[in-house]
Amino acid sequence: DSGVTQTPKHLITATGQRVTLRCSPRSGDLSVYWYQQSLDQGLQFLIQYYNGEERAKGNILERFSAQQFPDLHSELNLSSLELGDSALYFCASREEDFNTGELFFGEGSRLTVL
Amino acid sequence: AQSVTQLDSHVSVSEGTPVLLRCNYSSSYSPSLFWYVQHPNKGLQLLLKYTSAATLVKGINGFEAEFKKSETSFHLTKPSAHMSDAAEYFCVVSDAAYKYIFGTGTRLKVLA
Repeated sequence: DSGVTQTPKHLITATGQRVTLRCSPRSGDLSVYWYQQSLDQGLQFLIQYYNGEERAKGNILERFSAQQFPDLHSELNLSSLELGDSALYFCASREEDFNTGELFFGEGSRLTVL
Repeated sequence: AQSVTQLDSHVSVSEGTPVLLRCNYSSSYSPSLFWYVQHPNKGLQLLLKYTSAATLVKGINGFEAEFKKSETSFHLTKPSAHMSDAAEYFCVVSDAAYKYIFGTGTRLKVLA
């Protein structure tokens, strides 16, 4: 158990809908990273937050947004869903150790868009 | 700019034989390097990490990797493969700004 919790584990929805994925980082970790993993594109970095502030953006679509709350949990919002958004979405938190910076991953949220 | 290349997308070995998964990196800084493993429908788990200490790094489940600066490589090895090692493996490079670059992954198949 990595200590990172993601909900829901599975989600099936229709095109055009909106979903919210939730991530709770490990206790004491301030950073949250979101990744998308699909068969054709591999593991893609979406966005990073540190202590409530956005720190880095990757290949995140405009239809997607995220935020990190004061209690440090994070939510990834996906709207106007398309078939191609079907993927495994991972959240990771970073160990607050400046010598290592290991990422701890949750089990992922599998999104299926029909 | 940083980059990481995993030289093989698929590797097949027989149970009990050595495993070699190859990774080359490019970094302007002294990087941190990681190997992660992902079993089917699971999250990524850290196998080992290099952070400018010893160049030979030992990880979990008998895996180890050697940081070779002159070759810009960080290959993952294991002396004897086990069926449970079948998974996808990711090489990752990180810079001082905690930006992580993932390789495209190597799927390891272990044959009985």
